Amino acid sequence: DADVTQTPRNRITKTGKRIMLECSQTKGHDRMYWYRQDPGLGLRLIYYSFDVKDINKGEISDGYSVSRQAQAKFSLSLESAIPNQTALYFCATSDMAGVQGYTFGSGTRLTVV
Amino acid sequence: GENVEQHPSTLSVQEGDSAVIKCTYSDSASNYFPWYKQELGKRPQLIIDIRSNVGEKKDQRIAVTLNKTAKHFSLHITETQPEDSAVYFCAAGKLPTGNQFYFGTGTSLTVIP
Repeated sequence: DADVTQTPRNRITKTGKRIMLECSQTKGHDRMYWYRQDPGLGLRLIYYSFDVKDINKGEISDGYSVSRQAQAKFSLSLESAIPNQTALYFCATSDMAGVQGYTFGSGTRLTVV
Repeated sequence: GENVEQHPSTLSVQEGDSAVIKCTYSDSASNYFPWYKQELGKRPQLIIDIRSNVGEKKDQRIAVTLNKTAKHFSLHITETQPEDSAVYFCAAGKLPTGNQFYFGTGTSLTVIP
């Protein structure tokens, strides 16, 4: 599906650098989420947003920030990357009631060295 | 918040056999239980879901059962095929009022030809 697009797909960055992961969607969904996937830990929520003026922390928000630039765009930033932020990051969207579950983006594999 | 536990973490079956993955949840108010399949290097995709007013749902070779009293739900795959090999995630949430879905830690299913 090209309806939830993440950029970049892969990124290697150095400790201490600032990095931004971007997500855009054409599904017209109001709700957008950032999840992190680590082996054996499943998918853990970093931040979520229900509209442009609504930003909420998830269970693992420390070290991350987000920006909802428009209904269709939701960016995740690592202000000062550290090696334990090496992971696979997924953006997801859902409609207002979530009745069809999430649509996930293609993921960004981030490596912090 | 909700706590979702998923077992087993890995599962190997012979082609043609059945596979069962089990999840438990803690919040009795959860009413929506989706299952996602993630093939290697790809995004999680919704394969089936069930709501709390239904005890079982089938879609061809896959089925999901829900026991609200015991707070557990299961994914059943019959006549497994090599293309069923993937990581499967269960999740729980509250529709329409919930903020997010809570995910299990995933089951890596391998179907041996």
